[in-house]
Order: sequence, then structure tokens, then C-alpha cells
Amino acid sequence: NAGVTQTPKFRVLKTGQSMTLLCAQDMNHEYMYWYRQDPGMGLRLIHYSVGEGTTAKGEVPDGYNVSRLKKQNFLLGLESAAPSQTSVYFCASSFTQPGGIQYFGAGTRLSVL
Amino acid sequence: KNEVEQSPQNLTAQEGEFITINCSYSVGISALHWLQQHPGGGIVSLFMLSSGKKKHGRLIATINIQEKHSSLHITASHPRDSAVYICAATLKETSGSRLTFGEGTQLTVNP
Repeated sequence: NAGVTQTPKFRVLKTGQSMTLLCAQDMNHEYMYWYRQDPGMGLRLIHYSVGEGTTAKGEVPDGYNVSRLKKQNFLLGLESAAPSQTSVYFCASSFTQPGGIQYFGAGTRLSVL
Repeated sequence: KNEVEQSPQNLTAQEGEFITINCSYSVGISALHWLQQHPGGGIVSLFMLSSGKKKHGRLIATINIQEKHSSLHITASHPRDSAVYICAATLKETSGSRLTFGEGTQLTVNP
């Protein structure tokens, strides 16, 4: 049982390059989330999805786009990477219930030079 | 001001000590979560609670709804407990099981 899988684990980009982070879950969860984690700050929500074909903005959505074409996958895109997007990115998923437990992926460490 | 605040930010203990990490929140919540982030970076959920107390092994989580406060206790601490402990809340004003996180408490347990 893989749980939540993120790819890639590490990536270095140059300013202006684009990339897509993939999150896949095999628990049939409805809700999926993308967070970023920066030193001295708590996890911050970038975008989330409450089901296949739906997405919504979180606290810090600027510079990112997402898609949820299949229930098990949630993609995070950076169209034109900036140094301010250097961070560790976490994907999570949960069942449909208020306050439900979230299951996290291992994280993607991204550096933008 | 963050809606979820933790204290202390850093905590160093000797093996065997009883440890308490505190979390306070300023708005109504539907659930309070405690998570653990190991040095390798992975995040796991330890507890989800909306009232009372929960226990799992040497870990105990409590919540006082009236005081808007939760604590995570570790009994007989061990070096393998060294990690970042994160408090998070599902705020009643949000939807979709969204979590609002505290900044985390870095715990180091020395042998």
C-alpha cells in the first residue's frame, strides 16, 4: 500500500523554467492538497481539491496552477519558476469529512536558482 | 497573528524526561491535529481530537475546548522521539478539511 507518492523528490530549476510536481494516492480519497514548507513558517496551503475535476485556491496560490483530472492524481505546476518558490512541497490527501486526518507524501525539495 | 500558535519553538530534554508541547488557537475549530515530522522530512498524523484525551503508547494528547488549548505529552522520552511536532486545526470557518498549522516545535532528546 503506497499511500501518497510524490515525484520528483528533488529538483533544481533555473529562474523562468517550468515544471510539474505529481502527487498520486491509492486510498480513494476525495480531498487532496498541496502545501509548501519554508524555514520558520508553518505549512501553508497552496491549492486544494475536493474531488475529481475540482480545484480551489489556498493561502498562497500565486505562481502555481493545479489540475485534478483523475481522482487519484493531483498535479502542481510552476509555469515560470522564481527564487521565492524555493521550498519543500508536500502533497496530502484525506477522506471527505470535516477535520479528517490527512496523509502526507514524502515531500519534494525544489531549488530555483 | 497566527490562528494556531505553539510553544515552545525549541525544546531539549534528557532521555526519560516527561515532555509537554502546547498549542493554542484563537477561533472555533472542528478538530485539532498533532503531527510529527522526522528529520528525513516525512510527516505523519499522530492524533486527531475534538474533545477530551487520546493516548497512543507513550504519547498523550489533550484538548480543552473552553480554553482553546491543546497539549501533547511524551512520557519516558527517548532519542528516537526527536522530531518536529506540529499542531494543526481545522477551522470551523473553512471547508474541505483544510488545516491551519502552527510553526512547529523542534524536540531534541539527548541520551
